[in-house]
Amino acid sequence: DVQLVQSGGGSVRPGGSLKLSCAASGFSFEYIWMTWVRQAPGEGLEWIGRIRSKTDGGTSDYAAPVEGRFTISRDDSKSTLYLHLNGLTTEDTAVYFCASDDDGAYWGQGTLVTVSS
Amino acid sequence: DVVMTQSPLSLPVTLGQPASISCRSSESLLHTDGNTYLSWFQQRPGQSPRRLIHKVSKRDSGVPDRFIGSGSDTDFTLKISRVEADDVGVYYCMQGTRWPPWTFGQGTKVEIK
Repeated sequence: DVQLVQSGGGSVRPGGSLKLSCAASGFSFEYIWMTWVRQAPGEGLEWIGRIRSKTDGGTSDYAAPVEGRFTISRDDSKSTLYLHLNGLTTEDTAVYFCASDDDGAYWGQGTLVTVSS
Repeated sequence: DVVMTQSPLSLPVTLGQPASISCRSSESLLHTDGNTYLSWFQQRPGQSPRRLIHKVSKRDSGVPDRFIGSGSDTDFTLKISRVEADDVGVYYCMQGTRWPPWTFGQGTKVEIK
């Protein structure tokens, strides 16, 4: 069975940093583009970025609100996706989901990031 | 950026009755590869989204056949032929054709009357 198991997250002060992880199993992770989506409390879904497979260049794209502050990376040897969050503001408070980029066939369980002073 | 607009945003339904959600995009979702990347997701309270439909009408594995996706170009619909209690949640349409890579509708909250 395909599984995306997320870890990391928690509470941080404005300006702080966090790293989220998403461990994949049940599929050939190295060939799959992966995506991060977030959901602010009581709000809808917002795409924040994606990373291509190494065979497709391994580069990333980001949504405007997080460009320059967030970085997506991957370790194919560990079948793990990462989201590095820097320069956090209260507007970044949300549940963060990893998902497979094939139109969202598979999703992680989500992890809460709370930015508060 | 492409904008996805869902209606209604709230949908009270009677058990056993049909329900329909509309999703309109600000640009055509027909990709140059001939596919239309329009998906529907169900998000139950406290859970992550679950994909129900992709490429307009292709039902995902394990999704009941009472969920039916249809449409083309800029106009799409998700129909539930007979609503069950398990269908309560928020439904999102999502486009994967234009930039940004994924754009979601605002969500439609389905609840039982």
